[in-house]
Amino acid sequence: QQQVKQSPQSLIVQKGGISIINCAYENTAFDYFPWYQQFPGKGPALLIAIRPDVSEKKEGRFTISFNKSAKQFSLHIMDSQPGDSATYFCAASRQTGANNLFFGTGTRLTVIP
Amino acid sequence: DGGITQSPKYLFRKEGQNVTLSCEQNLNHDAMYWYRQDPGQGLRLIYYSQIVNDFQKGDIAEGYSVSREKKESFPLTVTSAQKNPTAFYLCASSMDGNYGYTFGSGTRLTVV
Repeated sequence: QQQVKQSPQSLIVQKGGISIINCAYENTAFDYFPWYQQFPGKGPALLIAIRPDVSEKKEGRFTISFNKSAKQFSLHIMDSQPGDSATYFCAASRQTGANNLFFGTGTRLTVIP
Repeated sequence: DGGITQSPKYLFRKEGQNVTLSCEQNLNHDAMYWYRQDPGQGLRLIYYSQIVNDFQKGDIAEGYSVSREKKESFPLTVTSAQKNPTAFYLCASSMDGNYGYTFGSGTRLTVV
């Protein structure tokens, strides 16, 4: 059973456009929601993360929007650049217990010039 | 600088051979994890360990084995029982509690 559902599977955006990736979860015990960015041949790297006490977090061109009642969160990449082309994974974590981070299936973003 | 080191970066295995992938971290993290990633696929958990000398199977543990004799090290052995081992293998670690993971740079294993 997929704990975190991510969409779309792939996304093509024009340079300068907005990229939006969505994730949904069911387990209300989750209380930490990171996004990872992975370039080909590299390991995923933490991009930005949010906790459910805020509805939005912005770091540069990257913004997480969080809707606790809908159990959804999304990543927005403003002014998308070709260098943003990568695979993005959302994840959700519960505070206790082993193996506490559950990943979405990933979104392959391509930004075309 | 603290981080996770995976070696080798590329590994080739003959049919019927066991191979061991190395993962070392100097972040003083308690938990360590092994994931498998196939082309265009997400991350599938193989094994994880919360403390030294203890580890648990993940979703796809068959054909793999691990050990955790030291906090810093979590090697993964891909045995001959793993019928389709060609993949990108990622090691990760985390602090105990509600934090994200730090990943290594991966090992690409190819069966020849």
